[in-house]
Amino acid sequence: DAGVTQSPTHLIKTRGQQVTLRCSPKSGHDTVSWYQQALGQGPQFIFQYYEEEERQRGNFPDRFSGHQFPNYSSELNVNALLLGDSALYLCASSLGRHSPLHFGNGTRLTVT
Amino acid sequence: AQTVTQSQPEMSVQEAETVTLSCTYDTSENNYYLFWYKQPPSRQMILVIRQEAYKQQNATENRFSVNFQKAAKSFSLKISDSQLGDTAMYFCAFMKHENAGNMLTFGGGTRLMVKP
Repeated sequence: DAGVTQSPTHLIKTRGQQVTLRCSPKSGHDTVSWYQQALGQGPQFIFQYYEEEERQRGNFPDRFSGHQFPNYSSELNVNALLLGDSALYLCASSLGRHSPLHFGNGTRLTVT
Repeated sequence: AQTVTQSQPEMSVQEAETVTLSCTYDTSENNYYLFWYKQPPSRQMILVIRQEAYKQQNATENRFSVNFQKAAKSFSLKISDSQLGDTAMYFCAFMKHENAGNMLTFGGGTRLMVKP
């Protein structure tokens, strides 16, 4: 039973570029949440997708956008990258919007 | 808005001894959940223990237990018989009542080192 899988594991981008991160939820899960974890800090909620729609959003600018596909997998897109976007991006899945979260191993994004 | 504060950036403990990690939070909610997550070098967030605010009894999971003081808005984690595999970052997290969705608010973390 595969858990939450994220790709790629590491990524290096240049300031101003765009990036897409991918997440496949745990088998049987239909809800995907994204978190940003800056170095030495706790994760911060970006947004959550359920039934292919954004259901909740944290305090992040519109440069951060997402998508959920019919197979429940999800993408996180960040446009016009800033140095401050360098972080570990964690994906978490759940069955519905009210059950416990299962986290992936994250994607480490470095913006130079 | 909720805030979660972990005042101990780093802690160390000898193998087989007991250590307590502190967490305080601020909320106007009456019904909520509190969690402790462990993040080893693999980076995956692993749920250690969970506490429902409406339950007075403190949660326990094997060597892990909590001291939940609702009035004081305090939620500490006690690790007994510490093992080398307990070395990791530990995060305290808050979640509103499940009807509000499962969004988590995390503290800044405590780095725990278990020494042989």
